[in-house]
Amino acid sequence: GEDVEQSLFLSVREGDSSVINCTYTDSSSTYLYWYKQEPGAGLQLLTYIFSNMDMKQDQRLTVLLNKKDKHLSLRIADTQTGDSAIYFCAERQQGFQKLVFGTGTRLLVSP
Amino acid sequence: NAGVTQTPKFQVLKTGQSMTLQCAQDMNHEYMSWYRQDPGMGLRLIHYSVGAGITDQGEVPNGYNVSRSTTEDFPLRLLSAAPSQTSVYFCASSRGQGTQPQHFGDGTRLSIL
Repeated sequence: GEDVEQSLFLSVREGDSSVINCTYTDSSSTYLYWYKQEPGAGLQLLTYIFSNMDMKQDQRLTVLLNKKDKHLSLRIADTQTGDSAIYFCAERQQGFQKLVFGTGTRLLVSP
Repeated sequence: NAGVTQTPKFQVLKTGQSMTLQCAQDMNHEYMSWYRQDPGMGLRLIHYSVGAGITDQGEVPNGYNVSRSTTEDFPLRLLSAAPSQTSVYFCASSRGQGTQPQHFGDGTRLSIL
């Protein structure tokens, strides 16, 4: 079956790096996404990675994928207070529109 | 750019009332979907559509109906609201399969008393 798990909460200080982790169970997943949700808003796509990739970097964001362990992580370098939000990982099988979301990790960045 | 527009933003209903949540996108996207977001449960797929005239059930379809008469609109109907349907509802759209990301609306916050 499909199941995506995340830790619920992460607290860091401004300027530190944040690492948000996600595990998934569906080995046929081909696309994995990270979304950000700010209070009172919808979900904003941050980045995604295809399952044949190990790493993807986009400015302050680094996504690491360990296919063997079905583990996905999002690293935010030089975390800012504006990064405080809920971060969702999601998986999608190729050819299917359905996204399976994790429960979300609430990131709190303190000054 | 409008993107995905959801209306209303907030709504309070009494148990048994019916209501339609509206979703419209102006990006000519084929795929549209409805999710509900509940605390500690992430987003769960209610219904989705791969094009005009085609809809299918998601993970939690009971109590909801959808239709897709045009590419732009994908309304979600609650025929007889129940307190268990209190949630935040998100509509999303995307151009197609593969890497095409889903664009989300800002959500409709629905309370059923």
